[in-house]
Amino acid sequence: GIQVEQSPPDLILQEGANSTLRCNFSDSVNNLQWFHQNPWGQLINLFYIPSGTKQNGRLSATTVATERYSLLYISSSQTTDSGVYFCAVVKANFGNEKLTFGTGTRLTIIP
Amino acid sequence: KAGVTQTPRYLIKTRGQQVTLSCSPISGHRSVSWYQQTPGQGLQFLFEYFSETQRNKGNFPGRFSGRQFSNSRSEMNVSTLELGDSALYLCASSLQFRTEQYFGPGTRLTVT
Repeated sequence: GIQVEQSPPDLILQEGANSTLRCNFSDSVNNLQWFHQNPWGQLINLFYIPSGTKQNGRLSATTVATERYSLLYISSSQTTDSGVYFCAVVKANFGNEKLTFGTGTRLTIIP
Repeated sequence: KAGVTQTPRYLIKTRGQQVTLSCSPISGHRSVSWYQQTPGQGLQFLFEYFSETQRNKGNFPGRFSGRQFSNSRSEMNVSTLELGDSALYLCASSLQFRTEQYFGPGTRLTVT
């Protein structure tokens, strides 16, 4: 199956700092999503970005599908940004909607 | 528009019992998928349904089963519960193929 690797596994930053989270995947994909998991376990959609660049406020994401990686940028971090960030992909295959998740990046923002 | 809902939110069962979890997708969404999250294994795919048909199944034993109804609501069942089945079970829905998937709040199952 497709492999998804996220780095770094853990990141501790001061409030106000910027961060870059990386997601590498091993095969062509139809879908790539970034999620933030809140303390209660719910996965919050950040970006649906199989290719290209998107921005939403302080967050932006870029996927370079030909080179099989995606980056999530968080600027001017706030304590509410703390949590686990997951990248998930759907391997390019007709009729397949299975999301394969990376192991996540645990982000801790210190006031 | 209401999001994906899952019931119950929390459940405590005894080893050997069975359990049924329910998921209602976003209105109009026809694809429903289930995932299990544990500290040791991370997020793993269980199965996916589209128009009442199971299209994909993950690498889980036959004790795990599911179904989808004509209104797209889905249920998953785990029989003969084991301690290792303790996990957060997440349901996701999407409009159709190759579109964004949205997750519900999850059901936290504890097996004692």
